Amino acid sequence: DIQLTQSPSFLSASVGDRVTITCRASQDISSSLAWYQQNPGKAPKLLIYAASILQSGVPSRFSGSGSRTEFTLTISSLQPEDFATYYCQQVNSYPVTFGGGTKVEIK
Amino acid sequence: QVQLVQSGAEVKKPGASVKVSCKASGYTFTTHYMHWVRQARGQGLEWMGIIDPSDSSTTYAQKFRGRITMTRDTSTSTVYMELSSLTFEDTAVYYCARAGPHIVADYWGQGSLVTVSS
Repeated sequence: DIQLTQSPSFLSASVGDRVTITCRASQDISSSLAWYQQNPGKAPKLLIYAASILQSGVPSRFSGSGSRTEFTLTISSLQPEDFATYYCQQVNSYPVTFGGGTKVEIK
Repeated sequence: QVQLVQSGAEVKKPGASVKVSCKASGYTFTTHYMHWVRQARGQGLEWMGIIDPSDSSTTYAQKFRGRITMTRDTSTSTVYMELSSLTFEDTAVYYCARAGPHIVADYWGQGSLVTVSS
């Protein structure tokens, strides 16, 4: 199975900060990576797929980059509604796997 | 608009089975695969498997093979996930999620809490 390692696991930041989350894959997954945002008690929400394609309706302050084994999610200017947990997911091969998550908290 | 509406919370005893439903609307049911993902309290997301509603073909995570069954009913645009031989470790929120572009989960159900308790 392909392992996804997210870092950091926790991130403390302020409104307006630029935030970057990294996801490393245990083997080459091309660009088959997605990012999700999850708020407490809610279902995850798709932000980015194919490593860098912004899902319709997602604010442009979110961006994704990377390929093969190293990927990043960047929030250019953190907003109050962005404090949540973020997960990466690979869909290059079965089984689909998720990273362990990054919780973004208010500093 | 795309909607996935799941069945309600369940409480089951160890060793029992649970069947969770996910009714889709707002799109052509047979043109999108459906994922099942679960999340234990305070934990991360765990992929369980995927079903192709057009022909009922499935792919399951190795961890669940032998005790998971995904089915679909095209007449009601509903997919089902049945998990048997439940243990306390199966206590979690279970989500269905439509597979959209590049098979990522673009729409999610609201989640169904399954509690395994003696």
